Amino acid sequence: DGGITQSPKYLFRKEGQNVTLSCEQNLNHDAMYWYRQDPGQGLRLIYYSQIVNDFQKGDIAEGYSVSREKKESFPLTVTSAQKNPTAFYLCASTSFNIQYFGAGTRLSVL
Amino acid sequence: GQQLNQSPQSMFIQEGEDVSMNCTSSSIFNTWLWYKQDPGEGPVLLIALYKAGELTSNGRLTAQFGITRKDSFLNISASIPSDVGIYFCAGPPRDSNYQLIWGAGTKLIIKP
Repeated sequence: DGGITQSPKYLFRKEGQNVTLSCEQNLNHDAMYWYRQDPGQGLRLIYYSQIVNDFQKGDIAEGYSVSREKKESFPLTVTSAQKNPTAFYLCASTSFNIQYFGAGTRLSVL
Repeated sequence: GQQLNQSPQSMFIQEGEDVSMNCTSSSIFNTWLWYKQDPGEGPVLLIALYKAGELTSNGRLTAQFGITRKDSFLNISASIPSDVGIYFCAGPPRDSNYQLIWGAGTKLIIKP
């Protein structure tokens, strides 16, 4: 089945640690996105990538990094510089302005 | 920049009631999208609207693209427990074909 796979579903980060969230898609979409969602809040754009080897900062990129070495993959690293990383992270890809989402990763701080 | 104002922020409803929510903007949108997010999951597209005045249904859901192109409405008829969740409106900004602007969401809660 075509879709977007995010892993892990739950992730715990220790203070000072970098953690990487995985996002893989087999929809053959060019553009991919990372959003952060806090409780009771909407979606805030962290990074997006329109093509391989290219990506742009969204509204809240500080403390995060991404790579886009393959069309299918767009991993997000939450660095130790992100002081408030606890949130629900959503990955999406797009076709004709419609975004399709993975099931999300919930990140918590130990 | 362009923003989407979604209301109400939350709704408590009885099972069987009809539900209405809306999304407004100070600027024109050429596409309106309505998504639903179940707890702990990613948003799923419900309805896409591409033309001013367009009225589109998906089962018990009906959405309309406002004539002014600055608003959109979503109605749910005869609500059932699985309608619980957060409903988002979204649309592409004028200057980008790749990004979406998102409303803050309407949380639907069924009264016990």
